[in-house]
Amino acid sequence: SQQGEEDPQALSIQEGENATMNCSYKTSINNLQWYRQNSGRGLVHLILIRSNEREKHSGRLRVTLDTSKKSSSLLITASRAADTASYFCATDGANSKLTFGKGITLSVRP
Amino acid sequence: NAGVTQTPKFQVLKTGQSMTLQCAQDMNHNSMYWYRQDPGMGLRLIYYSASEGTTDKGEVPNGYNVSRLNKREFSLRLESAAPSQTSVYFCASTRQRGGIEQYFGPGTRLTVT
Repeated sequence: SQQGEEDPQALSIQEGENATMNCSYKTSINNLQWYRQNSGRGLVHLILIRSNEREKHSGRLRVTLDTSKKSSSLLITASRAADTASYFCATDGANSKLTFGKGITLSVRP
Repeated sequence: NAGVTQTPKFQVLKTGQSMTLQCAQDMNHNSMYWYRQDPGMGLRLIYYSASEGTTDKGEVPNGYNVSRLNKREFSLRLESAAPSQTSVYFCASTRQRGGIEQYFGPGTRLTVT
């Protein structure tokens, strides 16, 4: 069963705009991760935020975590055409296995 | 380092045929995973191996078997392929069970007719 649910399912923006993607989950977690998947490729880890952290930055990425609402958001600032990809959140809980959401398809128009 | 490698990249099987998908990692990782990815379903865990010599079922293990041959290699076997197993299969590895980033292979696109 899916733990993480991303929202929206698809997002289309203009190059230079910011992209915000959301993830909600159901049970308690140790940490939450975001991955990117380019078409026809495997997933690539972007960023991890631990359950005791509220915000984390990595380059143009900003991720927030609200454990009271069981939700996370990924913000990509100043988007580029190369950011076009699918983005997945993944959670791990007491069983230590990652559970992935269904993904968000981001299209960045040049 | 090659990271996580998978063979083959593409495969077409007839219903009832068997095959083994190979996965190897050169990062000295302890844990390895097999996922399948279907449109609109995200990634679902088939089997995983927390360490050499151990394997456990994931969310969708039926119709599959695995072997953790050594620390580097983790293979997935379809004994009698079914059209429902048409999917893209990804192998991944990590230093420890969950909690830390997983490194993914490029995937195997399998079609069962």
